Amino acid sequence: AQTVTQSQPEMSVQEAETVTLSCTYDTSENNYYLFWYKQPPSRQMILVIRQEAYKQQNATENRFSVNFQKAAKSFSLKISDSQLGDTAMYFCACTGANSKLTFGKGITLSVRP
Amino acid sequence: GAGVSQSPRYKVAKRGQDVALRCDPISGHVSLFWYQQALGQGPEFLTYFQNEAQLDKSGLPSDRFFAERPEGSVSTLKIQRTQQEDSAVYLCASSSLDESGEKLFFGSGTQLSVL
Repeated sequence: AQTVTQSQPEMSVQEAETVTLSCTYDTSENNYYLFWYKQPPSRQMILVIRQEAYKQQNATENRFSVNFQKAAKSFSLKISDSQLGDTAMYFCACTGANSKLTFGKGITLSVRP
Repeated sequence: GAGVSQSPRYKVAKRGQDVALRCDPISGHVSLFWYQQALGQGPEFLTYFQNEAQLDKSGLPSDRFFAERPEGSVSTLKIQRTQQEDSAVYLCASSSLDESGEKLFFGSGTQLSVL
């Protein structure tokens, strides 16, 4: 069984600034993946970044990077140089060998012009 | 099409009606998932197919929910005798496996409102 906790319901950031979204998880799997998804008002879930638990190196995708702390079961997302188009809901998720995703409750991110 | 397609985009049903939600996965994708997303919440797993085989239906909330994928491509999620608590967005996803692992692609969902 897996649980994913996002304790911040919403955050706001000034355009061009950096923001960090927090996530903690719990899993009984030895091999698992962690994800951050973006959900704009169109409702489509868009993959932002993925981290394989057995890799120590933090994943990066352009302006997006993660801070993966395996022992602490923490998986935060850092967005650098925030853009207006980053405004959306962001979900942290975890999956094990069965590919079934467990999502957190999400956080609403607003980027201010 | 290029992505996962779901229809209808919106569905309004009277309590007690049956509804059918359709998902067209990306061509060639073996795995298909259904998720339910209540307002203000994260998606929750409903069921999983590999080709036409339903390998996991542990997330279906009641026996009023039924999913099928008879030819291993298009999938239909059916809800019988809808209740107000069924109101949610229903998301479908299909996945591919490449050298970097499995990647899930989501559709835009069907928003179901039960009155």
